[in-house]
Amino acid sequence: DADVTQTPRNRITKTGKRIMLECSQTKGHDRMYWYRQDPGLGLRLIYYSFDVKDINKGEISDGYSVSRQAQAKFSLSLESAIPNQTALYFCATSPKAGQGLTDTQYFGPGTRLTVL
Amino acid sequence: AQSVTQLGSHVSVSEGALVLLRCNYSSSVPPYLFWYVQYPNQGLQLLLKYTSAATLVKGINGFEAEFKKSETSFHLTKPSAHMSDAAEYFCAVSHGSGNTGKLIFGQGTTLQVKP
Repeated sequence: DADVTQTPRNRITKTGKRIMLECSQTKGHDRMYWYRQDPGLGLRLIYYSFDVKDINKGEISDGYSVSRQAQAKFSLSLESAIPNQTALYFCATSPKAGQGLTDTQYFGPGTRLTVL
Repeated sequence: AQSVTQLGSHVSVSEGALVLLRCNYSSSVPPYLFWYVQYPNQGLQLLLKYTSAATLVKGINGFEAEFKKSETSFHLTKPSAHMSDAAEYFCAVSHGSGNTGKLIFGQGTTLQVKP
């Protein structure tokens, strides 16, 4: 079974709709991240969370919000989707220093989101 | 500010040939450096990482990378390409203290392996 799962894997929606992407992990990691991938731009960090009570903005957080419902769950929401949010979205986890390999991140399979 | 530049968005090699994917970084503190690989329709997985121990780092699938501080480089190599190496490769840097957990990724390099 996959350690980091994302749902849905593919989603097509319309401009203005609210969308939630979900991420769950069974790795027992404290840290979770949301990235978006665009061709030629690599991965860019949207939000990250170091524990349930710690949420931080990444470099491109505008238009997005997150919720850390539990250690194992981290959701990304697009309150009002727009076409330039069409991208591949990845969730990742990493252990806190002392629990394992510092800074190695483990990625989910991604969610392909298309906003029409 | 830290940054990563990958030279060449596409690299094409013949099967059995040397693979060289270039990565240069900018960091004001000693960096942790990573190479990740993304196979089609999959998430990223770690190939190898540099954490200030040995400058030559060996990873999975026969890949290795050498940290050269004087050149601010961390190029990825493999002596002999295999068809299964075709994928997108990302170089990334994180803060040297190791406690922030944030990665900054390069733009990615797509490796094509020709028969």
